[in-house]
Order: sequence, then structure tokens, then C-alpha cells
Amino acid sequence: GENVEQHPSTLSVQEGDSAVIKCTYSDSASNYFPWYKQELGKRPQLIIDIRSNVGEKKDQRIAVTLNKTAKHFSLHITETQPEDSAVYFCAASTGQAGTALIFGKGTTLSVSS
Amino acid sequence: EADIYQTPRYLVIGTGKKITLECSQTMGHDKMYWYQQDPGMELHLIHYSYGVNSTEKGDLSSESTVSRIRTEHFPLTLESARPSHTSQYLCASSALFRTSEKLFFGSGTQLSVL
Repeated sequence: GENVEQHPSTLSVQEGDSAVIKCTYSDSASNYFPWYKQELGKRPQLIIDIRSNVGEKKDQRIAVTLNKTAKHFSLHITETQPEDSAVYFCAASTGQAGTALIFGKGTTLSVSS
Repeated sequence: EADIYQTPRYLVIGTGKKITLECSQTMGHDKMYWYQQDPGMELHLIHYSYGVNSTEKGDLSSESTVSRIRTEHFPLTLESARPSHTSQYLCASSALFRTSEKLFFGSGTQLSVL
């Protein structure tokens, strides 16, 4: 089955800096790669996702890049703000009806002002 | 309002008890999931379902069961609760769209087994 590795487990940056979180996946059939943000005490929320037919996707200060050959994808947050502090989870899925979304172990991002 | 609901919000029980955690969604989603999560930690997949009368096991399925008799309802049952089951349980649902499979999570059930 699919296995998703996520690094780093913790990341501390200064406000205004960029943050990068990286994930690798094992199943070459995976074609859907979302990122979820979970603030303290709250439920995870989808922030951005990408399909395998796209190499990069941007939404304001966040972007995701995908390298299918190397089977890795990354989340980039620019101009970080204190409200970006949260746990971020990457995930991968084949997108087929009978399969599940598999999550990485999470990255705790701390943005200090 | 379309949402995903979990009950109870908090539960404290003794070892050996049988419990059922409830999850219902009003969005008409075909796929539903159960995850176990300690605060800020990894999301462990317990069970999932991709439609009525379909259930699949995740990595932590050995001590629990699920059923999917109705599209909107996906309860999780622990046959004999143990202190190691103390954790937060998150239910989620999704619809498979053309380019996205967005998961909607419930607020969770915080379980404490004494």
C-alpha cells in the first residue's frame, strides 16, 4: 500500500521568512496530493491540492510543487505570518473509489514575530 | 447546514466496556473515514468506506469494527476498550470530484479509557 514520508517534523521560522515542507510517496499510481492545515484544537482543513498532470499550483502565499519522477511533492509558504503556525499534513491517493487518502506524519510549523 | 457530526464530543469509560462512536454527514458523500489522532500528531487510518455496504480496514483496524448501512451514517465500535485506546477519534467524509477529493472532518470524539 501507499506510504507517505514527511519532513521535517518541526519547523521554526521568523515572520516574513519562507517555509518548505517536503513529502515523498511510494505508490507510483498515486495521482492526487492534498495538503491539510490543522490549528491547535481544531479539525484539519484542506489548504491546497494538486493532481499529477500539473507540476505546480499556487494560491496566494502558498504553493505546491510535484515531481512525479522522483515521487515527491512540497509545500511552500512565502511571507509567513504568525497565523500560519499549525500542523501541516501532506497526503496521497490514487483517487480510485476503493482506496483511501494516506497522510504523512505531519509538520509542526511555528512562526515567531 | 451541510456538515459532518460526531457524538459524543467527550467520553470517559472503564476498561472492557463496549462503545460506539457516532458519525453522520449531511453532504451526501460516498466516502467516509475514521482516523485516530493524538493532539497534533499523526492521523492513523482505522477504517474507511466508499459506499453503502462497503468497508475497508486501515492500519489500526484490528480492535474495532464499522458498518455502513446508510450513506450518511458510519459508526465505529470498540468491542472492549483499553487504556491504549485513549485518543481523539476523527470522522471524515469526501466526494470524489473530477480534480479534487476534499475531506471534511468532524469535530472529533475525545475518548479516555480508565
